[in-house]
Amino acid sequence: KQEVTQIPAALSVPEGENLVLNCSFTDSAIYNLQWFRQDPGKGLTSLLLIQSSQREQTSGRLNASLDKSSGRSTLYIAASQPGDSATYLCAGLDNYGQNFVFGPGTRLSVLP
Amino acid sequence: GAVVSQHPSRVICKSGTSVKIECRSLDFQATTMFWYRQFPKQSLMLMATSNEGSKATYEQGVEKDKFLINHASLTLSTLTVTSAHPEDSSFYICSARQGIGQPQHFGDGTRLSIL
Repeated sequence: KQEVTQIPAALSVPEGENLVLNCSFTDSAIYNLQWFRQDPGKGLTSLLLIQSSQREQTSGRLNASLDKSSGRSTLYIAASQPGDSATYLCAGLDNYGQNFVFGPGTRLSVLP
Repeated sequence: GAVVSQHPSRVICKSGTSVKIECRSLDFQATTMFWYRQFPKQSLMLMATSNEGSKATYEQGVEKDKFLINHASLTLSTLTVTSAHPEDSSFYICSARQGIGQPQHFGDGTRLSIL
């Protein structure tokens, strides 16, 4: 059974710092991996989707990498801003394209 | 980008009431919709997966008779919490995708509070 973990559980940084959020999964047979942002009391906003054949995806200040062999993905946020404060979730989709397992999330606070 | 609309955003009702939550894909046809539940400070837990025109597949531990899911069209799925009790209070989120391997797009969630 796929298990997804995220480290750290919470992170507080001053504005302008570059930071890395980590996601680990136990079953490397994933179809794709997706990073989401969730603001308090809100739904999820998709940030980046990495297919299993890809190693990374970039969107603006965000860069996500995927290493299936080690069961890891990272989300890199450059030049963090207070508006980046949110919970960041990663989720892996299994090779059948059906089961989408979420990690517990990393709560990010960017201090002005 | 793709938009998923979830309604209502907030429900407060008495114990024993049945509550229906709607999930609509506004600009794409969703062959599959998912329903999640999220307790405070916890991650999303998948409740069920529904494919249009088929019965929903429920995750282990989720009572199908209590959480009725209907996915009658490619743009609408509904979750009905029947005879809701305080322990059903939670944040319910739906998502939709166009096809296998396509991104899941999420609604804004429904905060259900049962008194």
